[in-house]
Amino acid sequence: ETGVTQTPRHLVMGMTNKKSLKCEQHLGHNAMYWYKQSAKKPLELMFVYNFKEQTENNSVPSRFSPECPNSSHLFLHLHTLQPEDSALYLCASSHGRTPGVEQYFGPGTRLTVT
Amino acid sequence: AQSVTQLGSHVSVSEGALVLLRCNYSSSVPPYLFWYVQYPNQGLQLLLKYTTGATLVKGINGFEAEFKKSETSFHLTKPSAHMSDAAEYFCAVSEGNFNKFYFGSGTKLNVKP
Repeated sequence: ETGVTQTPRHLVMGMTNKKSLKCEQHLGHNAMYWYKQSAKKPLELMFVYNFKEQTENNSVPSRFSPECPNSSHLFLHLHTLQPEDSALYLCASSHGRTPGVEQYFGPGTRLTVT
Repeated sequence: AQSVTQLGSHVSVSEGALVLLRCNYSSSVPPYLFWYVQYPNQGLQLLLKYTTGATLVKGINGFEAEFKKSETSFHLTKPSAHMSDAAEYFCAVSEGNFNKFYFGSGTKLNVKP
């Protein structure tokens, strides 16, 4: 696998379920990001990890819980979600703390909360 | 904080016509500027970026963008649209050592035959 991969690509879950999204990057980067992309809204940055340390949490509800066990893997644990949480969740990676570098994105997980 | 404005949420051009997608940003310091493209059911792919140096930047698929500091703009152009250019385009600005990105709301490009 190359680049940034995300699994699953599609997920349907009820409001009482617990599920996890997985992201893996094969680029040797040390920063990883979770974004939420909803219809008719700009990309929303959720969490940032630099060298496995969380450096940004954009007032994300606690029903979203990130985990970064190492620089290559990032998880987003989901529980008791709401229908408005249905969206495309994108993972990205970059060389952290290096100004001006681009972020590389995965294909996303399309989440539907029923 | 930065803000990025993309004028026109939808732009429609004929195949072979000029593509112009507009992006303006607010920044009190020299920014790093990016254009990304997103095809349906896919993630974002980098088209081009400006960091320093030449203000006209060339990217993939024949796209280019010009950084105009006086106008705080970074508009994306392509001389001749192709059907395969139909997608959503995002302008982004980054700042700071933590490489935080600010994205515009996106412009959907439709290419008519």
